[in-house]
Amino acid sequence: AQKITQTQPGMFVQEKEAVTLDCTYDTSDQSYGLFWYKQPSSGEMIFLIYQGSYDEQNATEGRYSLNFQKARKSANLVISASQLGDSAMYFCAMREGITSGTYKYIFGTGTRLKVLA
Amino acid sequence: GAGVSQTPSNKVTEKGKYVELRCDPISGHTALYWYRQSLGQGPEFLIYFQGTGAADDSGLPNDRFFAVRPEGSVSTLKIQRTERGDSAVYLCASSSGSSGANVLTFGAGSRLTVL
Repeated sequence: AQKITQTQPGMFVQEKEAVTLDCTYDTSDQSYGLFWYKQPSSGEMIFLIYQGSYDEQNATEGRYSLNFQKARKSANLVISASQLGDSAMYFCAMREGITSGTYKYIFGTGTRLKVLA
Repeated sequence: GAGVSQTPSNKVTEKGKYVELRCDPISGHTALYWYRQSLGQGPEFLIYFQGTGAADDSGLPNDRFFAVRPEGSVSTLKIQRTERGDSAVYLCASSSGSSGANVLTFGAGSRLTVL
């Protein structure tokens, strides 16, 4: 079974608009972490935002926010005021096994975002 | 070093050959991860080191793949008898510890092409 599911292979958004990239996850751990990474065409993986499973507030980092709905096991990334430079692949990832100490990070298949001028 | 360094950046080899890919993590980072990324896919976990030992090698696809980290810093991913299906970008990442919030910092990757 997929641990991380990103159902949108591709998304378009108009410049300056907001966009939501979906991510659902599957774990039986009580303690886990959720991450979003950006991968531009250059190939580097850039960390964007982190949400811990016990964090009560949604994480925010500048124009990025994470809409965390624990009961629904979703961790959607919201990008506000999209910029042309936001065009990239976006990966959702989960770190589970924190309690057991396995520390494995699992990635989804990604969503390709294209920002239109 | 300032970032995670991976060499070579590109490697072209022939089917059946042996290759080594090197990763130099951020100084002081105790955890080191290897991932494989095929075109259009997400990174696929291969192996994770905590210090010198492989804490989890469940992602290694078969016994042709092996990785070492003898001194707890630099790691080498070794692939024997390469096959065309091994062609991918091999990503290395490191992190500073075991906290749940630890962020993986990735290298630029080693692109392996098996002809």
